[in-house]
Amino acid sequence: SQQGEEDPQALSIQEGENATMNCSYKTSINNLQWYRQNSGRGLVHLILIRSNEREKHSGRLRVTLDTSKKSSSLLITASRAADTASYFCAPILLTSGSRLTFGEGTQLTVNP
Amino acid sequence: KAGVTQTPRYLIKTRGQQVTLSCSPISGHRSVSWYQQTPGQGLQFLFEYFSETQRNKGNFPGRFSGRQFSNSRSEMNVSTLELGDSALYLCASSFSVGRDTGELFFGEGSRLTVL
Repeated sequence: SQQGEEDPQALSIQEGENATMNCSYKTSINNLQWYRQNSGRGLVHLILIRSNEREKHSGRLRVTLDTSKKSSSLLITASRAADTASYFCAPILLTSGSRLTFGEGTQLTVNP
Repeated sequence: KAGVTQTPRYLIKTRGQQVTLSCSPISGHRSVSWYQQTPGQGLQFLFEYFSETQRNKGNFPGRFSGRQFSNSRSEMNVSTLELGDSALYLCASSFSVGRDTGELFFGEGSRLTVL
């Protein structure tokens, strides 16, 4: 399986600012997914980007993927206090099935 | 459409006991996977079931086992509980099969505390 490493480990910003989180991985992938987890809750799927895509948008989320650098970034624009959560990336290999390997995540705190 | 349902949400056990956790996937989803989340180890994959067959298994001891029923509901069992088994156990279901791994839908988890 393939593990993503999120960076930074923690990020604290003010409401209305943008938040950028990065993900790096080591081998070729089929797609890459981002998930959010509010404290003590289950993970929520945010967005999936395929290996042949470079950028994808969903509401206030923008994800980029650079397969040559083996990295992805998640941008949350105009952040809100409700965006406070941990964010995880999950690089997916063809053979992964539902076996996702998560890093430690980025803990985002949005201050009102 | 109902989401992934996990029961129980919270439970307390003592060392040496065993526990069974249940997961009902989203209707139509045939893949169910389980994850353990602890502060020290983060999110770790336990196993995945598809059509009642275990497709993938993580690096956990044999005390951790699971199964899937014909209606796709899944259970996981931990025998001879240890303090280190205290964790949030998350179940996820997926419609995707084969080569295309789509999104996973997670339940709210079962919080196990071992005393």
